[in-house]
Amino acid sequence: GQNIDQPTEMTATEGAIVQINCTYQTSGFNGLFWYQQHAGEAPTFLSYNVLDGLEEKGRFSSFLSRSKGYSYLLLKELQMKDSASYLCAVSPFSGGYNKLIFGAGTRLAVHP
Amino acid sequence: DAGVTQSPTHLIKTRGQQVTLRCSPKSGHDTVSWYQQALGQGPQFIFQYYEEEERQRGNFPDRFSGHQFPNYSSELNVNALLLGDSALYLCASSPRDRGLYAGELFFGEGSRLTVL
Repeated sequence: GQNIDQPTEMTATEGAIVQINCTYQTSGFNGLFWYQQHAGEAPTFLSYNVLDGLEEKGRFSSFLSRSKGYSYLLLKELQMKDSASYLCAVSPFSGGYNKLIFGAGTRLAVHP
Repeated sequence: DAGVTQSPTHLIKTRGQQVTLRCSPKSGHDTVSWYQQALGQGPQFIFQYYEEEERQRGNFPDRFSGHQFPNYSSELNVNALLLGDSALYLCASSPRDRGLYAGELFFGEGSRLTVL
């Protein structure tokens, strides 16, 4: 089975950098995903890692280490609009890419 | 280009009743999956449809069933509602031929179900 752990809440200051960690125990997966979800809204795709290493997309970067069972999402130059929940998810081998196993999410609060 | 649309947005039911939720996928997408998101939790996979058949199923009882129509839209049906079924039900779509869309699901805004 899969078990995904993320911190429940984090706070950060506008303009700063924050790293949201995700650890997982899984028998194998196609890729690891990060989604952003603002309160009352749909999750939106942020990033996707298949291979170990860093994927950069503007202010957002995601890192994966399969050997360590670890990923993180790095948000730079934080803005107030970045206040949201950040969901870590894996797509297990058995499920293709549509079956995602999500963690409970990390609620990030950005303060002025 | 319309994204994923779901209806209704909110509904209230009582225990034992049945509910049907509807989803229209993003234009060009033929695969639909449904997720249940309880308050403060991440979405949980219910099932996935393509070519009008259920292809994958999560750990949900048979009270949860679905359907996909020839136009790729989908329904989620829940019978014999329990209090614990209260949640946000999310529909997500993607193209089967992923190409540049590898790994990206497009979610609708969800249907918030309250069971009293």
